[in-house]
Amino acid sequence: KQEVTQIPAALSVPEGENLVLNCSFTDSAIYNLQWFRQDPGKGLTSLLLIQSSQREQTSGRLNASLDKSSGRSTLYIAASQPGDSATYLCAVRAIYGNNRLAFGKGNQVVVIP
Amino acid sequence: ETGVTQTPRHLVMGMTNKKSLKCEQHLGHNAMYWYKQSAKKPLELMFVYSLEERVENNSVPSRFSPECPNSSHLFLHLHTLQPEDSALYLCASSPDREETQYFGPGTRLLVL
Repeated sequence: KQEVTQIPAALSVPEGENLVLNCSFTDSAIYNLQWFRQDPGKGLTSLLLIQSSQREQTSGRLNASLDKSSGRSTLYIAASQPGDSATYLCAVRAIYGNNRLAFGKGNQVVVIP
Repeated sequence: ETGVTQTPRHLVMGMTNKKSLKCEQHLGHNAMYWYKQSAKKPLELMFVYSLEERVENNSVPSRFSPECPNSSHLFLHLHTLQPEDSALYLCASSPDREETQYFGPGTRLLVL
């Protein structure tokens, strides 16, 4: 069974600092990995999707890397802003098991103005 | 807005009540999903529908009953729930099962 772990569970940073969020997964037989953002009481918004053959994806201030062999992904958010305050969820789609998405518990981020 | 809507957004019900959650997608997607999100736990997949057929039931108790009358609508019928069923219930859709999922805003359910 795929296990997804996100560290740290929660963090606070001053505005302008770079954010580094970590995700690890136990089974490297993955189809892709996705990072989502969730605002309090709301649904998930997809940020970046990395296919298993890729090493990273970038969108604006966001960059996500994938090291499939070691079972790790990192989400970098450059020059954080208060609007980046949210919970960030990592999800892995396994090759086996009906292509189901396995989610981590999330990194809860607060950017302090 | 992702194109996936859910109603109601908030629901309080007693353990003997019957209620239904509704999800609607206007994206022309073929697959729809129900997830449960409890505090301090990862999202749990409950049901998957593909082309209106249930293709996955992730060991969900029978007090939760899904219905997919067409490819745009998905319901979750609730009956004799327990307080531990209180959670955020999220609906999602995707073009096909292997593609990116788009999530609705969720229904916050409280069972008293």
